[in-house]
Amino acid sequence: QQQVKQSPQSLIVQKGGISIINCAYENTAFDYFPWYQQFPGKGPALLIAIRPDVSEKKEGRFTISFNKSAKQFSLHIMDSQPGDSATYFCAASGVESNYQLIWGAGTKLIIKP
Amino acid sequence: DTEVTQTPKHLVMGMTNKKSLKCEQHMGHRAMYWYKQKAKKPPELMFVYSYEKLSINESVPSRFSPECPNSSLLNLHLHALQPEDSALYLCASSQVGRGDYGYTFGSGTRLTVV
Repeated sequence: QQQVKQSPQSLIVQKGGISIINCAYENTAFDYFPWYQQFPGKGPALLIAIRPDVSEKKEGRFTISFNKSAKQFSLHIMDSQPGDSATYFCAASGVESNYQLIWGAGTKLIIKP
Repeated sequence: DTEVTQTPKHLVMGMTNKKSLKCEQHMGHRAMYWYKQKAKKPPELMFVYSYEKLSINESVPSRFSPECPNSSLLNLHLHALQPEDSALYLCASSQVGRGDYGYTFGSGTRLTVV
């Protein structure tokens, strides 16, 4: 019940296209859903996060869509750029995880020029 | 200062060596974390320090020994490691010991055990 399932494992998108990464969770007690971006040789960096009281959050080209009934959330990257090439991790946390993050497996995103 | 600084960046150690990893932050964060990350895997939580006290130990083998000398510093002492302990060791900090406060990660120490 603590799992967060992320797909796809890898994704190739043309420059200017939309990148979509999906995550699903099981524990309905989770109440915080962040996305982290990790470049090679660096630690993950918080990109954007959402709580279940809203269905969408947008920050620049990055949008989280959240579907509470389906227990799914996704990251959309609009107008994808080569600089967005990185590994993206979704995560979730709540009281049952002792407020520590439960991480998805990660998605390696490559943006082709 | 919005960074978490980790030293060294790379470390090669033998199975009988003793070494230490260091982490420093000056953001006033009261929680600090050690994570282990294997290639193509998500970070795995090892330890959480909250207000300089160890609050979470994720059943980590005793060959890994954390230490938090003060609110800005976090060490990870390594002794008698195994080759399978080779990984990227990440330090992170947050305002308090909760994931929903957002973690700031360092760039990690790439550890190779030979």
